Amino acid sequence: DGGITQSPKYLFRKEGQNVTLSCEQNLNHDAMYWYRQDPGQGLRLIYYSQIVNDFQKGDIAEGYSVSREKKESFPLTVTSAQKNPTAFYLCASSLGTGNTIYFGEGSWLTVV
Amino acid sequence: DQQVKQNSPSLSVQEGRISILNCDYTNSMFDYFLWYKKYPAEGPTFLISISSIKDKNEDGRFTVFLNKSAKHLSLHIVPSQPGDSAVYFCAALDRGSTLGRLYFGRGTQLTVWP
Repeated sequence: DGGITQSPKYLFRKEGQNVTLSCEQNLNHDAMYWYRQDPGQGLRLIYYSQIVNDFQKGDIAEGYSVSREKKESFPLTVTSAQKNPTAFYLCASSLGTGNTIYFGEGSWLTVV
Repeated sequence: DQQVKQNSPSLSVQEGRISILNCDYTNSMFDYFLWYKKYPAEGPTFLISISSIKDKNEDGRFTVFLNKSAKHLSLHIVPSQPGDSAVYFCAALDRGSTLGRLYFGRGTQLTVWP
């Protein structure tokens, strides 16, 4: 089945540690995105990539890093510099920019 | 500065009645609009979209209306069902922009009660 797979679904991290969230898609989409959802804040864009080996900062990129070495993969690293990392993280993809985007199931990150 | 606004954080409707969710935008360059539905702890699912060349798009129980002069769109759900209870996000896109990103509203929690 085609889709977007995020892993892990639940992740606990100690303060001061970096953690990487995985996102893989087999939809042959060029564009991929990372969003964060906090209660009452809606969906906020962290980073996005329009094509392999290229990515742009979104609205809340500080404390995060990404890479786009392969078309199907767009991992997100939450670094220790991110002050409030506990949130629900959503990966998405689209055929290209300007097209409907489709979301994965999300990953819960909790800092303990 | 939010370019897409959903001013009602919540809406409660009786089963069988119409649900109307509203969305306003500020950027006149937006030319494609989408609605997503989200259940707790799940990713949003695409519901319906509308291009700025249209003022209405219908898909089953869901209809989206676009009023470009007022920079306003709305999602109508008729008849509402308990399974429609979810958070609904409005999103907008400027297809001519090189940025190519969606702008989301903060969402409206719809509750449909029996």
